[in-house]
Amino acid sequence: QVQVRESGGGVVQPGGSLRLSCAASGFTFRDYGMHWVRQPPGKGLEWVAFIRYDGTEEYYVDSVRGRFTISRDNSKNTLYLQMNSLRTEDTAVYYCAKGKDYHFDYWGQGTLVTVSS
Amino acid sequence: QSALTQPASVSGSPGQSITISCTGTSSDVGGYNLVSWYQQHPGKAPKYMIYEGSKRPSGVSNRFSGSKSGNTASLTISGLQAEDEADYYCCSYAGSSTYVFGTGTKVSVL
Repeated sequence: QVQVRESGGGVVQPGGSLRLSCAASGFTFRDYGMHWVRQPPGKGLEWVAFIRYDGTEEYYVDSVRGRFTISRDNSKNTLYLQMNSLRTEDTAVYYCAKGKDYHFDYWGQGTLVTVSS
Repeated sequence: QSALTQPASVSGSPGQSITISCTGTSSDVGGYNLVSWYQQHPGKAPKYMIYEGSKRPSGVSNRFSGSKSGNTASLTISGLQAEDEADYYCCSYAGSSTYVFGTGTKVSVL
């Protein structure tokens, strides 16, 4: 069955960096665009980034553009999110989601990123 | 990229129908028929319930239905059940491969 599993979350100081990973299985990873979506504690969902199936194009929400980089390794069925210059407002559970046309059909359980001094 | 507007909470008794609205602009909800809806139980990952405005994936109860009029999309849950108590989020394609979520609605079953 389709599974996506995030890892790499943790506590980081403001201005620091962190790289999240998302391991995918149960589907042909190289055929699908992938997304990162985040949810601050007790708050709503926010779309963060999207990468095309072949990794040739990336798109970001304005608040992270220039600080975050989404990438993928289709040979390893893995999605990444490199997060630099982290701010306290980036504290959230980060979900990896498989794209299907214009929606998200499978989600991981999320990984918590806490930005705090 | 402003969040779509949803009511903070909606409640109903078992068996009743409720409707959750999702209001955006002509740049997102009104510009595309590409609104999806997600159900999220506490501590769990979101689950998609409706896509492309009104389509239901296999396995989702036909008690869930979606529609759109102008810049506002709606999710209706008919025959409300205790298991429907959760947070619900709309999401719209906003052009240039970007997306915007709604503010979220907490559904309570009285």
